[in-house]
Amino acid sequence: AQSVAQPEDQVNVAEGNPLTVKCTYSVSGNPYLFWYVQYPNRGLQFLLKYITGDNLVKGSYGFEAEFNKSQTSFHLKKPSALVSDSALYFCAVRDLGDNNDMRFGAGTRLTVKP
Amino acid sequence: EAGVTQFPSHSVIEKGQTVTLRCDPISGHDNLYWYRRVMGKEIKFLLHFVKESKQDESGMPNNRFLAERTGGTYSTLKVQPAELEDSGVYFCASSQVGGITDTQYFGPGTRLTVL
Repeated sequence: AQSVAQPEDQVNVAEGNPLTVKCTYSVSGNPYLFWYVQYPNRGLQFLLKYITGDNLVKGSYGFEAEFNKSQTSFHLKKPSALVSDSALYFCAVRDLGDNNDMRFGAGTRLTVKP
Repeated sequence: EAGVTQFPSHSVIEKGQTVTLRCDPISGHDNLYWYRRVMGKEIKFLLHFVKESKQDESGMPNNRFLAERTGGTYSTLKVQPAELEDSGVYFCASSQVGGITDTQYFGPGTRLTVL
């Protein structure tokens, strides 16, 4: 069965510094990977997804993620963090072999300090 | 274009009571999903509607949960009777095509607290 792991519950970075939110996955077939963000008192907002093709995926708000098949990772990155990026980030995976269900990680809380 | 809406935003009930959550998907989206996040853990899939039909309800925890989508528009999720472990945030999402690569758009969630 497919699964996703977000190894860090909390990530703290200073404004202007690069940020990375980690995600690793396990699937039986080809992975379809997604990143969502939840701002306080808001629903999950779609950031980006990897389906096929270029391993570097660019998404909303200046975020990007790199698909690494050998390391089974899909880390979310941003070159220069903003205080407004502080939120809860979820990685998710879908796999043809698992009813197309979306499997989410437990989430990583990102705090960007001024 | 209006996004996915959910009602209520918060609900506090006592154990044994009944609660009904509502989700209005994005207009024109045939696919509607329910998810739940319990105690800060991962968001878990509950079920998937295609129009008014249940495509996949493998994530429904037990028969105290009943989801409906009459007419293929909005959906309700009823918990009867509610137990303490049902507390959490219930998310609804919708998508247009429903394929594995399709993007799901989420509502703000309903925070359910069972006392």
